[in-house]
Amino acid sequence: TQLLEQSPQFLSIQEGENLTVYCNSSSVFSSLQWYRQEPGEGPVLLVTVVTGGEVKKLKRLTFQFGDARKDSSLHITAAQPGDTGLYLCAGGLSRNDMRFGAGTRLTVKP
Amino acid sequence: DTAVSQTPKYLVTQMGNDKSIKCEQNLGHDTMYWYKQDSKKFLKIMFSYNNKELIINETVPNRFSPKSPDKAHLNLHINSLELGDSAVYFCASSQAGIENYGYTFGSGTRLTVV
Repeated sequence: TQLLEQSPQFLSIQEGENLTVYCNSSSVFSSLQWYRQEPGEGPVLLVTVVTGGEVKKLKRLTFQFGDARKDSSLHITAAQPGDTGLYLCAGGLSRNDMRFGAGTRLTVKP
Repeated sequence: DTAVSQTPKYLVTQMGNDKSIKCEQNLGHDTMYWYKQDSKKFLKIMFSYNNKELIINETVPNRFSPKSPDKAHLNLHINSLELGDSAVYFCASSQAGIENYGYTFGSGTRLTVV
């Protein structure tokens, strides 16, 4: 059983569509991070959210941390082929203990 | 300059061999990590080192041993390699707590045991 459950596992959409991916847990986290990983590379940090209910925007990406700090969502508006990749959420149990979800593999078709 | 660099990028070796993967970070971070990513892309933490002190050792077989000669390096030694060790291994570093700073990952080492 994984600490963080991400859904959906796979998502294939057309360019221009909107999408939301989810990261859920029964554990409370001190912070939650989202990363994007491309083939042959390591994950790259997109955002860190710390406060329950916090919303952060990064261009067309909107990240939300649940009020209880147990879950998070990532919403992409008007997806582009360059958004294709593996999106990973990671929750901080302590300062040096970050646990990752299994990821959502997003494909955006032109 | 590459922030977190791992070598080699690819490693193919036979069962029973001993191998090492090197990792160096030039970010001045105080903590370094090793993660294992399996074929389903699940990232599992193996080790974490802070100021040359092991912080986390997550149910990893003792065939795996991290070695940190200094704050900028965390190498991974693997003895008696098994088929199930095949995976991509990522080194990462962080600083000043996870609330404000994310992890910076290397580009990974793909280990194949034959």
